[in-house]
Amino acid sequence: GAVVSQHPSRVICKSGTSVKIECRSLDFQATTMFWYRQFPKKSLMLMATSNEGSKATYEQGVEKDKFLINHASLTLSTLTVTSAQPEDSSFYICSAKGGTSSYEQYFGPGTRLTVT
Amino acid sequence: AQRVTQPEKLLSVFKGAPVELKCNYSYSGSPELFWYVQYSRQRLQLLLRHISRESIKGFTADLNKGETSFHLKKPFAQEEDSAMYYCALKYAGNMLTFGGGTRLMVKP
Repeated sequence: GAVVSQHPSRVICKSGTSVKIECRSLDFQATTMFWYRQFPKKSLMLMATSNEGSKATYEQGVEKDKFLINHASLTLSTLTVTSAQPEDSSFYICSAKGGTSSYEQYFGPGTRLTVT
Repeated sequence: AQRVTQPEKLLSVFKGAPVELKCNYSYSGSPELFWYVQYSRQRLQLLLRHISRESIKGFTADLNKGETSFHLKKPFAQEEDSAMYYCALKYAGNMLTFGGGTRLMVKP
């Protein structure tokens, strides 16, 4: 149990376009979802935390107008990269917390975004 | 601010040798620490947490508050242990901050 999926797994887009990444908890209700960014050979950087039905909380240095997060239901959160630029190219990973565990975050497989 | 440091980016050992992956943290609150593992082409998954004081896949980790460390140890490494290992600190109720990760390579 406690599976988190992400869609798409890989996306290539042109500069200036917007890209939406979906994160779904498949077999549990995720009260909280997290979005991370992973740079090559570096650790995960927490971008924002979202609770269902409320506005996301962004980490310092993360532009909320650029990285729009919506957590419309207990099983779905979306990250939209608006007006994507080449420097936004990265690996984006979501995780979800909920279900029977009060502490564990379950991670999605990640989405590779390439902006040309 | 909270911070997690993993000083080794790469650790290479032979099968059967002991392994210790280092993790140090700084945090003003009461720390809750985790080790996550990412096998090749797989997602990140929880390996163990300090509160449960368990041994998973032969790995153990003890929280040393005096040294602010949470090193991951295994007495006899196996080839299937080869992976990226991340130490993480929980803060502000929900959030995790990760160390830079250590790639463990276990050679036959």
